[in-house]
Amino acid sequence: GQNIDQPTEMTATEGAIVQINCTYQTSGFNGLFWYQQHAGEAPTFLSYNVLDGLEEKGRFSSFLSRSKGYSYLLLKELQMKDSASYLCAVSATDSNYQLIWGAGTKLIIKP
Amino acid sequence: KAGVTQTPRYLIKTRGQQVTLSCSPISGHRSVSWYQQTPGQGLQFLFEYFSETQRNKGNFPGRFSGRQFSNSRSEMNVSTLELGDSALYLCASSLDSGGRAFFGQGTRLTVV
Repeated sequence: GQNIDQPTEMTATEGAIVQINCTYQTSGFNGLFWYQQHAGEAPTFLSYNVLDGLEEKGRFSSFLSRSKGYSYLLLKELQMKDSASYLCAVSATDSNYQLIWGAGTKLIIKP
Repeated sequence: KAGVTQTPRYLIKTRGQQVTLSCSPISGHRSVSWYQQTPGQGLQFLFEYFSETQRNKGNFPGRFSGRQFSNSRSEMNVSTLELGDSALYLCASSLDSGGRAFFGQGTRLTVV
């Protein structure tokens, strides 16, 4: 079956860099998404990886290694507003393309 | 273009009642998925509809059901409400299954 693992909680300092990891086990990988969710709000799309390598978008970057079943989200120059949960989701043929979601990583930014 | 619209935003119901939630996807999106989220928890998948057919289903009891109309709008219904059904219900639409999901603001259901 499918499984996605992320750390439950991480703490970082304003202005610093943080890396949130996501590992997955699935067959027929079709893409990996990262979403940000502030408390009480809906998740919003951050990034999409389908090929190995790094995708950079401003302060946020996402990396994928399909052979290792591994991705990370890198957040640079952290701001207080980055305090949120970060969700990793995978699409695969063995889930009939249904997105399988990790439980999310709660990121706490301290001044 | 308009985003995903969920109605109502807030709802209070009594145990044993039933409730219907509505989701209007982004124009052109054929896939609509529903999720339940309780405080501090991740997204629990309920079901996905694609072109009016249920394509995928999560591990929820039969009290949870849904449907999709020809205009891609979707509804989910929860019958015989229990206190544990209190949660944020999120709807997400995408062009196709497995594609980038766009979320509505959710319906916050409280069962008393």
